[in-house]
Amino acid sequence: DADVTQTPRNRITKTGKRIMLECSQTKGHDRMYWYRQDPGLGLRLIYYSFDVKDINKGEISDGYSVSRQAQAKFSLSLESAIPNQTALYFCATSDFPLAGSQETQYFGPGTRLLVL
Amino acid sequence: LAKTTQPISMDSYEGQEVNITCSHNNIATNDYITWYQQFPSQGPRFIIQGYKTKVTNEVASLFIPADRKSSTLSLPRVSLSDTAVYYCLVARGGGNTGKLIFGQGTTLQVKP
Repeated sequence: DADVTQTPRNRITKTGKRIMLECSQTKGHDRMYWYRQDPGLGLRLIYYSFDVKDINKGEISDGYSVSRQAQAKFSLSLESAIPNQTALYFCATSDFPLAGSQETQYFGPGTRLLVL
Repeated sequence: LAKTTQPISMDSYEGQEVNITCSHNNIATNDYITWYQQFPSQGPRFIIQGYKTKVTNEVASLFIPADRKSSTLSLPRVSLSDTAVYYCLVARGGGNTGKLIFGQGTTLQVKP
């Protein structure tokens, strides 16, 4: 979805380095998410935020931190990168679901991260 | 969140109808069924969502039997560009969970 952008699109870093992945959205959604995808494992939720300053852990938050200081931006940080954090990272946004429906998430293009 | 089971992979040929079935035996009363599509090196994209019976949009149809323990995504007359991974998700509707569980999905390969 072009309304959800991620930077950088590709990143190579070394073990122990701190890096930040950025996500921006112009959809006006309150909810934002960070997922990682590994081959054959589908997507796994790292962190999510329902509003500015609201932060919730997902199923695999260890080794990651996030910041949500504006509605449109949600940043993911790897404080000290390690090789098993090599993966494809996706940001997603959604709005509060209407009655009688489930929320629809809109995904960014992804950031491919390689930790050497 | 209800667990879903779907085939790991499927093959088809251009012009054929493809049906991908997802099992969700523990679906709860308030749960909805949603399908996403993911092309290589792209994020997943919403395809269709339903609660019961049949839902149709410009991309696909979703069939849900009365017991709602399974659902079938139907793609009419597929083309090579429909080659992708298809995810079946079950999650509570209208709520605050915000948690979608993406399993391995079904990798559909459309051949010429």
